[in-house]
Amino acid sequence: GENVEQHPSTLSVQEGDSAVIKCTYSDSASNYFPWYKQELGKRPQLIIDIRSNVGEKKDQRIAVTLNKTAKHFSLHITETQPEDSAVYFCAAWSGGTSYGKLTFGQGTILTVHP
Amino acid sequence: KAGVTQTPRYLIKTRGQQVTLSCSPISGHRSVSWYQQTPGQGLQFLFEYFSETQRNKGNFPGRFSGRQFSNSRSEMNVSTLELGDSALYLCASSLEFRGNSPLHFGNGTRLTVT
Repeated sequence: GENVEQHPSTLSVQEGDSAVIKCTYSDSASNYFPWYKQELGKRPQLIIDIRSNVGEKKDQRIAVTLNKTAKHFSLHITETQPEDSAVYFCAAWSGGTSYGKLTFGQGTILTVHP
Repeated sequence: KAGVTQTPRYLIKTRGQQVTLSCSPISGHRSVSWYQQTPGQGLQFLFEYFSETQRNKGNFPGRFSGRQFSNSRSEMNVSTLELGDSALYLCASSLEFRGNSPLHFGNGTRLTVT
């Protein structure tokens, strides 16, 4: 089955710096890659996603890049703010457009220091 | 539009007991999936239901089961509870559980087994 590895497990940055979280996946048929943000005590919420036919997607300060050949994708957060502090999960969908499942990475605890 | 609702928010059970968790999806969403979240294992996929049918299942023992009703509400049952079952159980709903339909998570049920 699909296996998703996420690095680093913890990331500490100063406010205004950039943060990058990387994930690798094993199933070459995976075709959808969402990122979720989970603040302390709250539910995971989708922040950005990318499909396999796209190499990069950007939404204001966050962007995701996908390298299908290398089977890895990354989340980039620029101009970080204290409210970006949270746990970030990457995920990969395996199953094409039919029944399948979403496999999550282990999560990255991002701390942004003011 | 109301979000995904999970009840109860907290549960304390003893080993050997069984427990039932409930999830009401967003109106119009037909797919409900369940995840176990623990500090060491991240988000682990349990199973997914669509139109009252289980379509996919993760690598959990048969003590974990679920069902979905005609109104798309779903329940998850864990029998013969073990200490290792202590976790946050999250359900998520989507229009369709496919690689282009974002998941919307509930706040979870925190289960503690003593």
